[in-house]
Amino acid sequence: QITLKEYGPTLVKPTQTLTLTCTVSGISLSTSGVGVGWIRQPPGKALEWLALIYWHDDKHYSPSLKSRLTVTKDTSKDQVVLTMTNMDPVDTATYYCAHSDFWSGYYGFNIWGQGTMVTVSS
Amino acid sequence: EIVLTQFPGTLSLSPGEGATLSCRASQTVSSTYLSWYQQKPGQAPRLLISGASNRASGVPDRISGSGSGTDFTLTISRLEPEDFAVYYCQQYGGSPPFTFGQGTKLEIK
Repeated sequence: QITLKEYGPTLVKPTQTLTLTCTVSGISLSTSGVGVGWIRQPPGKALEWLALIYWHDDKHYSPSLKSRLTVTKDTSKDQVVLTMTNMDPVDTATYYCAHSDFWSGYYGFNIWGQGTMVTVSS
Repeated sequence: EIVLTQFPGTLSLSPGEGATLSCRASQTVSSTYLSWYQQKPGQAPRLLISGASNRASGVPDRISGSGSGTDFTLTISRLEPEDFAVYYCQQYGGSPPFTFGQGTKLEIK
């Protein structure tokens, strides 16, 4: 059974860098086909895809946020890390990590973490 | 960028009725790359449908997906109390590679 869980600060100040960690269990991040994406959701608003990293270290970013995002993985720790620089109050949201199976061919997110709420405020 | 527009924004129905939720893409989307999610308050989204019409594990068969090209539909027959939630469509392709619709809220009338 694959599970994901997000960890990170609940409060960051404007201009600071946000670092979120997604810990994956039940599957190795080096297993062929494994992808982990990051999606966020401002309060009361829709989902927004941010980034995705695959087992072979291929990375994809939202073009509108690419300059601020970095996604990495540590296979030995079963962790995927997302950093977002220059945080702003509009970045206040629940941040989710989610699993995507590349070999399914569907490019959906079939397993989600519970999400972590991040508030940006001075 | 492929924009997904969902309508209606809110759908008010009673248990036992049928629901039809629409997702329209600004460009042609491969049906293989169209997914639907259900999200309940305070919960993470749950994958319902992949490839436009393939139910995920555990999804009841009264929930179905269809469509092709730019128009996709999620149909829920015989609404149960647990079906009242927000539904999102999502596509893969283009730049950015993943986009979500703005959601349809299915509420109890």
